[in-house]
Amino acid sequence: EAQVTQNPRYLITVTGKKLTVTCSQNMNHEYMSWYRQDPGLGLRQIYYSMNVEVTDKGDVPEGYKVSRKEKRNFPLILESPSPNQTSLYFCASSHRGGPTEAFFGQGTRLTVV
Amino acid sequence: QKEVEQNSGPLSVPEGAIASLNCTYSDRGSQSFFWYRQYSGKSPELIMFIYSNGDKEDGRFTAQLNKASQYVSLLIRDSQPSDSATYLCAVKSSSNTGKLIFGQGTTLQVKP
Repeated sequence: EAQVTQNPRYLITVTGKKLTVTCSQNMNHEYMSWYRQDPGLGLRQIYYSMNVEVTDKGDVPEGYKVSRKEKRNFPLILESPSPNQTSLYFCASSHRGGPTEAFFGQGTRLTVV
Repeated sequence: QKEVEQNSGPLSVPEGAIASLNCTYSDRGSQSFFWYRQYSGKSPELIMFIYSNGDKEDGRFTAQLNKASQYVSLLIRDSQPSDSATYLCAVKSSSNTGKLIFGQGTTLQVKP
């Protein structure tokens, strides 16, 4: 089954404690991206990757890091989480180029206290 | 001006009516347009995509595209309470073909 898998689904953490949210896709997609979704602000792109070892900032990259060492994985790293990073996070993947849609992971609800 | 604009709603329609959701976009070079449905706390789910001017029908859903007016719409016929959700319009960037730009979404409420 084609899917994008995120882990964990829910996470409560404390300010400053480094965390990683994993994302994996099994569709051999070149393009992967991370979004955060907040009430009234919609889906905002954090980082994206066009292919292995190629990453770039989206619209709201501050406080986040990513890496793309393998095609299937695109982890999101919060080195020192802060309460304003409390949000619902989605990973998405798609084929690069062409009129293709994005497949979304199930989401990770992060709370930073 | 936002890149993709939608009325946040809520749009309330009675069961069985036609719901009309609208979206405008600023990137004149965009070629691909998508509608996602999102239930509260869930991930966006693709329901329609359209690439050419005109109408595209799939079951109870019709997407309409007018590139000259930079306007996309989604019609839902015979609306059901299960259609109650937030509908996200997304436009593929013409400069970064991997990037989707989302509107804020329109909340639809279908009342029995």
